[in-house]
Amino acid sequence: GAVVSQHPSWVICKSGTSVKIECRSLDFQATTMFWYRQFPKQSLMLMATSNEGSKATYEQGVEKDKFLINHASLTLSTLTVTSAHPEDSSFYICSAREGDNEKLFFGSGTQLSVL
Amino acid sequence: QKEVEQDPGPLSVPEGAIVSLNCTYSNSAFQYFMWYRQYSRKGPELLMYTYSSGNKEDGRFTAQVDKSSKYISLFIRDSQPSDSATYLCAMSSWNTGNQFYFGTGTSLTVIP
Repeated sequence: GAVVSQHPSWVICKSGTSVKIECRSLDFQATTMFWYRQFPKQSLMLMATSNEGSKATYEQGVEKDKFLINHASLTLSTLTVTSAHPEDSSFYICSAREGDNEKLFFGSGTQLSVL
Repeated sequence: QKEVEQDPGPLSVPEGAIVSLNCTYSNSAFQYFMWYRQYSRKGPELLMYTYSSGNKEDGRFTAQVDKSSKYISLFIRDSQPSDSATYLCAMSSWNTGNQFYFGTGTSLTVIP
């Protein structure tokens, strides 16, 4: 299957700082990428959908100024958690969809811990 | 009513057992059905992908889709301890735009 690379796997930061998470599709062009948040033993919670070259569409209740998403190319999307606070600590996962392909491929996830 | 319903388990079986995981859904327009396996603190891994109704087999895994009953299943034969994970079903349709709908996941433990 297609490969989606997500970095970093783990990040620890101080409260008030910003953290950037990268999501790359390595062997296909991803016209659409998705960002999720997952709490322990819970399912995926969709945060936003991004299409290459356009603004991300955020789900209700997700602060767009706090979770900045950039999808500048067909192979790279980034999620920046700005002014992180301890309540932002979570497991963040990206996924990518290839064109009209209905298959969705996931990155390996990023565990964010805000001290 | 949720778009996709999945029993969260947990499900615990002895090694070698046949495992049956299921999801029901409400939107009859869904055409694309996926099963993912997620290990703890890892991203979901695509296991099976099925278009419309029917069966699909890949090694020890068989995916079934019954669109008339709005019911999908994943069977795991000769289950192994390494199959211990959370299994997520997902589905979409050409007319749901970019949206994929996920079950809540079933936690499976295979006991050696």
